[in-house]
Amino acid sequence: ETGVTQTPRHLVMGMTNKKSLKCEQHLGHNAMYWYKQSAKKPLELMFVYSLEERVENNSVPSRFSPECPNSSHLFLHLHTLQPEDSALYLCASSQDLQASGGYTFGSGTRLTVV
Amino acid sequence: SQKIEQNSEALNIQEGKTATLTCNYTNYSPAYLQWYRQDPGRGPVFLLLIRENEKEKRKERLKVTFDTTLKQSLFHITASQPADSATYLCALGNFNKFYFGSGTKLNVKP
Repeated sequence: ETGVTQTPRHLVMGMTNKKSLKCEQHLGHNAMYWYKQSAKKPLELMFVYSLEERVENNSVPSRFSPECPNSSHLFLHLHTLQPEDSALYLCASSQDLQASGGYTFGSGTRLTVV
Repeated sequence: SQKIEQNSEALNIQEGKTATLTCNYTNYSPAYLQWYRQDPGRGPVFLLLIRENEKEKRKERLKVTFDTTLKQSLFHITASQPADSATYLCALGNFNKFYFGSGTKLNVKP
């Protein structure tokens, strides 16, 4: 384990379902991130939180809704997704936004939308 | 917009040789460049960071160079081993935002 734990590891959901992805870190990091990784494409930054405040929203569709209740937990709420949203969703954390020590990633949630 | 290019074709090398991976970028002046390793079904793992004012950085069998004139970073693994087989990603950033390349898959054959 890297210190960043994501659940569930795999998720299959219908287009009308509502589900949530969970991320937890106990590294004492102040910044947390959601990334989307599709096959053969670069990681896409979705959301950035620093000290529980959202600092970045990269034009992500509203069917994705993040929540950061405290500095150790990050959620991604999903509703009415499309098949093209199927991907690996990665949570990451870093000491601060400069990430000079790199990002620590979780193992990801493999999401399939049917 | 910024563009990061990593060779999309897999790199196949023989065990014991040096593997060299390339990361080229355009329309960007990053302050930092990072390299990550990613195994199938796992998240990327941070390996090294190099700053724009550093030419080279080493860590065990790994060496990274950063040429801001050529807008290129080279990532070397010396004395490669089959366990080094993975996809390697570069990421460029300025203080609070990093952009990732698509990665290059390395296959080290015994």
